[in-house]
Amino acid sequence: GENVGLHLPTLSVQEGDNSIINCAYSNSASDYFIWYKQESGKGPQFIIDIRSNMDKRQGQRVTVLLNKTVKHLSLQIAATQPGDSAVYFCAENEGQGSGSRLTFGEGTQLTVNP
Amino acid sequence: KAGVTQTPRYLIKTRGQQVTLSCSPISGHRSVSWYQQTPGQGLQFLFEYFSETQRNKGNFPGRFSGRQFSNSRSEMNVSTLELGDSALYLCASSRGDRNSPLHFGNGTRLTVT
Repeated sequence: GENVGLHLPTLSVQEGDNSIINCAYSNSASDYFIWYKQESGKGPQFIIDIRSNMDKRQGQRVTVLLNKTVKHLSLQIAATQPGDSAVYFCAENEGQGSGSRLTFGEGTQLTVNP
Repeated sequence: KAGVTQTPRYLIKTRGQQVTLSCSPISGHRSVSWYQQTPGQGLQFLFEYFSETQRNKGNFPGRFSGRQFSNSRSEMNVSTLELGDSALYLCASSRGDRNSPLHFGNGTRLTVT
């Protein structure tokens, strides 16, 4: 499953399928990006990050792709499981100098159907 | 390693009052940031502290303030509370360099009546 519209807030997939969550960022000067997962009643949980000098980074069952030309990020989750159901946020660091100032996307609600 | 701890988890205050929220970062982390999360505005940056100094500031009114102590623990204060301040306030800590990920606590849910 894939949310092809950047403003589409929900994505529903079957257990075992691969999921793709898309995100547009706004600042061409941003050089560090993070994906977070937020479950109900909890704070955002770090999933994976990527620097602007890379275009792909892989973790356990997750891959982040960065396209700086069109200012686009995607998060791919392999073999999606019910425990992956949550809201997913992308964030870009727009901080000055060595600081952090994350700007978050609107989030995508991922629902995994058993 | 213990995660980011925020206290209290829930607060109910009356309009016009003030409130102080507390955050203990992950051990060894020197940067603490605060974010506000609401259904309408999403996650918005309030401020970042590093070595007891405010390093970045968001676009919130002066009623929102914070500080960081020498042990990296941080507090956030909101004065003259308004109904619109009702939100989940999240604290995050990191090593402090711009390419290190922020790790969030589970937040303080503030309700202003």
